[in-house]
Amino acid sequence: ELKVEQNPLFLSMQEGKNYTIYCNYSTTSDRLYWYRQDPGKSLESLFVLLSNGAVKQEGRLMASLDTKARLSTLHITAAVHDLSATYFCAVDEVGGATNKLIFGTGTLLAVQP
Amino acid sequence: KAGVTQTPRYLIKTRGQQVTLSCSPISGHRSVSWYQQTPGQGLQFLFEYFSETQRNKGNFPGRFSGRQFSNSRSEMNVSTLELGDSALYLCASSPPSSYNEQFFGPGTRLTVL
Repeated sequence: ELKVEQNPLFLSMQEGKNYTIYCNYSTTSDRLYWYRQDPGKSLESLFVLLSNGAVKQEGRLMASLDTKARLSTLHITAAVHDLSATYFCAVDEVGGATNKLIFGTGTLLAVQP
Repeated sequence: KAGVTQTPRYLIKTRGQQVTLSCSPISGHRSVSWYQQTPGQGLQFLFEYFSETQRNKGNFPGRFSGRQFSNSRSEMNVSTLELGDSALYLCASSPPSSYNEQFFGPGTRLTVL
């Protein structure tokens, strides 16, 4: 059974600092997704990572995937308050045959001024 | 392009009642997945429908059921509601592509009293 673990669960950062969120998963998969959720809102798709070594960047966020290590990272550069949210990674369990995402526990990011 | 829509947005029911939630996917998307989000269990996969057929099912009791119509709209039903069914129910649709990115609706907040 596929398990997805994220750490840390909670991250309090100061504006301008850098930090990384880690996402580990337990079985082979080459499809990993990052989502953002604001309080009381739905999930917003951030990144789709489809192969080993994939790296994607959008603004102050950069995501990467190492399928051999079963690890994805979400790096935050020079954090700003607007990045405060909960971030989830999710792995496609069946590898594309059906759409079944297994989500990590989420990382609550609080960026302090 | 309109996003995924879900109705109703909020719902209050009492134990023992049943409830039906509706989801309209993005135009052209034929896959619809449902997830339950609770503070204790996080985001959990309920089921996925594609072309009116259930392709995958999560580990939920038979009280949770769903269906998909020929226009790809989907409904999920929960019978004999329990307090623990209180959650945010999210619907997601996926385009017909090889990487199954899922786009989430705003969710239905169900409260069981």
